Amino acid sequence: GAVVSQHPSWVICKSGTSVKIECRSLDFQATTMFWYRQFPKQSLMLMATSNEGSKATYEQGVEKDKFLINHASLTLSTLTVTSAHPEDSSFYICSARLAGGRTDTQYFGPGTRLTVL
Amino acid sequence: QQPVQSPQAVILREGEDAVINCSSSKALYSVHWYRQKHGEAPVFLMILLKGGEQKGHDKISASFNEKKQQSSLYLTASQLSYSGTYFCGTVLIPGTASKLTFGTGTRLQVTL
Repeated sequence: GAVVSQHPSWVICKSGTSVKIECRSLDFQATTMFWYRQFPKQSLMLMATSNEGSKATYEQGVEKDKFLINHASLTLSTLTVTSAHPEDSSFYICSARLAGGRTDTQYFGPGTRLTVL
Repeated sequence: QQPVQSPQAVILREGEDAVINCSSSKALYSVHWYRQKHGEAPVFLMILLKGGEQKGHDKISASFNEKKQQSSLYLTASQLSYSGTYFCGTVLIPGTASKLTFGTGTRLQVTL
């Protein structure tokens, strides 16, 4: 159980285009999903918290207008990188929060590698 | 502030043991441990809650010392499949605001 999928697995796009990444919880409902960014050989950095039915909460330094997040249902959150530039190239990973008693566990999707030319 | 992990990297021979430490400057509610293989998403290993919890599965165990704001992950009789980067993730506040702050990571390589 607790499977999270991401689509696409990788994407190569031209500078100035927008890219949408989907994150789905396949066998559980997630009111909260998280979006992370990871550069090579570095840790995961939280970009934003996606809440079903409400606005996302962005971490300090993350541009809301550049990284649009929509959490339209209990199983789907999307991240749209608008007007992508080469510096946006990175590994983007989502996670879905599975609530459970005293604590919650985050299960991660397989990630999306974005390359902006 | 990002939790600090030590060591940064370690190379083991198959069958050897390893300890990975995670230290925070803030009071913690819980510590989550993940293993990530190159190019893949992190895989959940275990979670420890405040209250001095210790737990284990197979030959991987962990402890959480909330007074010292530290957690340790113990890998016993390591296998080749243990290779990867280990991250601790810390939670300060339980509940819906329970976002994870990931540690600096520890690269583990197990060789024959």
